[in-house]
Amino acid sequence: QSVLIQPPSASGTPGQRVTMSCSGSSSNIGSNTVNWYQQLPGTAPKLLICRSNKRPSGVPDRFSGSKSGTSASLAISGLQSEDEADYFCSSWDDSLTGWVFGGGTKLTVL
Amino acid sequence: QVQLQESGPGLVKPSETLSLTCTVSGGSISSDNYYWGWIRQPPGKGLEWIGHMRYSGRTYYNPSLKRRVSIFLDTSKREVSLKLSSVTVADTAVYYCTRHVDTAMVDAFDIWGLGTLVTVSS
Repeated sequence: QSVLIQPPSASGTPGQRVTMSCSGSSSNIGSNTVNWYQQLPGTAPKLLICRSNKRPSGVPDRFSGSKSGTSASLAISGLQSEDEADYFCSSWDDSLTGWVFGGGTKLTVL
Repeated sequence: QVQLQESGPGLVKPSETLSLTCTVSGGSISSDNYYWGWIRQPPGKGLEWIGHMRYSGRTYYNPSLKRRVSIFLDTSKREVSLKLSSVTVADTAVYYCTRHVDTAMVDAFDIWGLGTLVTVSS
């Protein structure tokens, strides 16, 4: 059971906007920023969103992140077939004194 | 640009010690803005943070693994090593070497190696 809770799956059609959630607690998301990672099939994860809403260089502006209270969200607009991947949220947990991850959301582009 | 390459045995027997090495190329390993360490992913499952170490020696370990794990930084060889003792089949996973950067703009694992699969089996 992961510390951060993500829905196991999400789906959308090309061009659509999809969102996925990440739920935590006061000791992690409630106190710290959230990072999102994209893992394409058979590859290593890649940093997608950092500090809850910042995009590293090279990440398209179709990807955006937000945080409110003890939850965070990742939104993908103008969905493309190459966005089909697993998405993981992560945050520092002050109680555990360590990094925690969500179980991941598998995004399917229909 | 910084690249990370994991290496080590792909098969380890139960109760033995898993040892992996990560070679860092293309950048400095000695900045205090960076932590170097490991994250793993059991087949078909999610990510689990193992631990990270800063050049100055500050180290963080996952509390659930702390009794069994050690991470070392060899700046002369530009290597990050992982030792996980008393392994069981539950330690079977792809092990990723990662860099964590901590600045005003970024506080995340920004660089990942390709990963190496370690299977625990007799």
